[in-house]
Amino acid sequence: AQTVTQSQPEMSVQEAETVTLSCTYDTSENNYYLFWYKQPPSRQMILVIRQEAYKQQNATENRFSVNFQKAAKSFSLKISDSQLGDTAMYFCAFMSANDYKLSFGAGTTVTVRA
Amino acid sequence: ETGVTQSPTHLIKTRGQQVTLRCSSQSGHNTVSWYQQALGQGPQFIFQYYREEENGRGNFPPRFSGLQFPNYSSELNVNALELDDSALYLCASSFLTGLAGSSYEQYFGPGTRLTVT
Repeated sequence: AQTVTQSQPEMSVQEAETVTLSCTYDTSENNYYLFWYKQPPSRQMILVIRQEAYKQQNATENRFSVNFQKAAKSFSLKISDSQLGDTAMYFCAFMSANDYKLSFGAGTTVTVRA
Repeated sequence: ETGVTQSPTHLIKTRGQQVTLRCSSQSGHNTVSWYQQALGQGPQFIFQYYREEENGRGNFPPRFSGLQFPNYSSELNVNALELDDSALYLCASSFLTGLAGSSYEQYFGPGTRLTVT
């Protein structure tokens, strides 16, 4: 089974500033996908960004970008120009290309301060 | 395009009872995965249904069972409810072809909050 570790239970950031969330994972597989999901207080899990392990280029979606370090098994999320609406729990998730099931980390609560 | 829907939104049951939760997958999707999310934790994979067949199961006892219907909607059934079953139950739909290059992203519904007393 794959293990996903998010070592930061909580992060706080001033509006318009940048915050980086860390995630490490453990796997022996070579073909997999990584995701960041956002879960606001409304509890709807929203896909933020995805990365295919075979791609060396880091994924970017508007203000969200990742730093994927395959050898180190690290997958951090950077939120630039933080907005109040970014306040949520953020989950890092791993998916093997063999079974397409998600394994989640414990989550990081991000609070954006006005 | 219709998103993933779940019903009911909230549910309160008594220990020992049985419960059925429902999920309608996103239009065009053929796979439904169910997850249990305890308060303050990340979701845990329960099982996945692909084309009406169970396609993998997490570390959950047999009293957790499911179905997928021809229209790809799904049910999660839990028998003999225990206090620890209190959680948010999330379903997610995706489109798998069984071939390399499947659209693997999972899209989640709003969840059902189950409270067992």
